[in-house]
Amino acid sequence: EVQLVESGGGLVQRGGSLRLSCAASGFTFSRSSMNWVRQAPGKGLEWVSYISGSSSTIYYADSVKGRFTISRDNAKNSLYLQMNSLRAEDTAVYYCTVGSGSPSPIDFWGQGTLVTVSS
Amino acid sequence: EIVMTQSPATLSVSQGERATLSCRASQSISSNLAWYRQKPGQAPRLLIYGASTRATGIPARFSGSGSGTEFTLTISSLQSEDFAVYYCQQYNDWPRFTFGPGTKVDIK
Repeated sequence: EVQLVESGGGLVQRGGSLRLSCAASGFTFSRSSMNWVRQAPGKGLEWVSYISGSSSTIYYADSVKGRFTISRDNAKNSLYLQMNSLRAEDTAVYYCTVGSGSPSPIDFWGQGTLVTVSS
Repeated sequence: EIVMTQSPATLSVSQGERATLSCRASQSISSNLAWYRQKPGQAPRLLIYGASTRATGIPARFSGSGSGTEFTLTISSLQSEDFAVYYCQQYNDWPRFTFGPGTKVDIK
């Protein structure tokens, strides 16, 4: 059974930093590309970042480029999102997600972790 | 960026009735379209991919159709667990996914 468990969310001041983690199990993590997707309170879904299985290919949404860094540790079956220079508009539930190939939709989502940026 | 739109924003339906949701892409995305259901307080769940293929474990009351820029999700007989928000997502520009704003299906 695929499991994605996010952690690291919380309350942070504007301009601050936070690091999210996602522990993955139930599939071959090292061969799977991963994404972070976020959802502001009461709003829709926004793709944030992508990383390939080998970390050789990385993409970011324009809204976070230059501030967020995605990474992974295949030995630990873990995905990360380092978030710097946080803004009020970064307040959201952040989901760790995985798909089955390219192109493919998102097959599985974690339960999400809430990041709140206070001003 | 491919922009996705959904209509209606809210759909009021009685349990057991049929619901039809629409999704439109700003440019052709072939059949690279997925539908998700999100219940309150939960993560989205994949229902349909490839515009018309049900994901594993999804009941037959869910069906999808369309290609190019126009897509439809039909729920043939709404059950209590189907009152939720539905999102369409394009993955033609993978992995730069974009989602529609959602359609909320509520009880009439």
